[in-house]
Amino acid sequence: EPEVTQTPSHQVTQMGQEVILRCVPISNHLYFYWYRQILGQKVEFLVSFYNNEISEKSEIFDDQFSVERPDGSNFTLKIRSTKLEDSAMYFCASSTGNTGELFFGEGSRLTVL
Amino acid sequence: SQQGEEDPQALSIQEGENATMNCSYKTSINNLQWYRQNSGRGLVHLILIRSNEREKHSGRLRVTLDTSKKSSSLLITASRAADTASYFCATDAWIQGAQKLVFGQGTRLTINP
Repeated sequence: EPEVTQTPSHQVTQMGQEVILRCVPISNHLYFYWYRQILGQKVEFLVSFYNNEISEKSEIFDDQFSVERPDGSNFTLKIRSTKLEDSAMYFCASSTGNTGELFFGEGSRLTVL
Repeated sequence: SQQGEEDPQALSIQEGENATMNCSYKTSINNLQWYRQNSGRGLVHLILIRSNEREKHSGRLRVTLDTSKKSSSLLITASRAADTASYFCATDAWIQGAQKLVFGQGTRLTINP
């Protein structure tokens, strides 16, 4: 069964460093998303991406964040200068946009020291 | 902001019993979805109910939606140890052509053997 894959599964970085989280969405999906979940808290929407541009972004998604679909398969989230509060599990998701169901990856755990 | 809030926050029952989780939200929705998250894993879509539907079944799952009360419930019948997980409701709105899910805090369900 097709699935969304994310790498790395866990990344530890120093505060101020740049981090890139990678995702390979399901191949025939058109809509791509990043969500995050701080430990013990709810899953929060970061950004949606369609037709090679951001459709919507949340207040969390400030200038330190960017997304890119550099080729036909990868969808990346970049955090330019990480802060302690960026420590969280980051989930990529994709959808066809038709059913409303989102398919989530297993997540990338980011730890900022 | 539309926001799904689950009740109870934690639920512990014996295997074979039924588990009921409730969700309330604040604004109009296109649909409401339920997801499961095993500890440290990604979110798995369980069921979607549209705003014009009142009840939906999928295997041992039964979801109801009351748009007048802005509430939904998820019933898992004949629970199994493998049902142990966190369950999240998510309200779904299409905004400017982009889908955005707003998740609640979740209910941690423990099934005791």
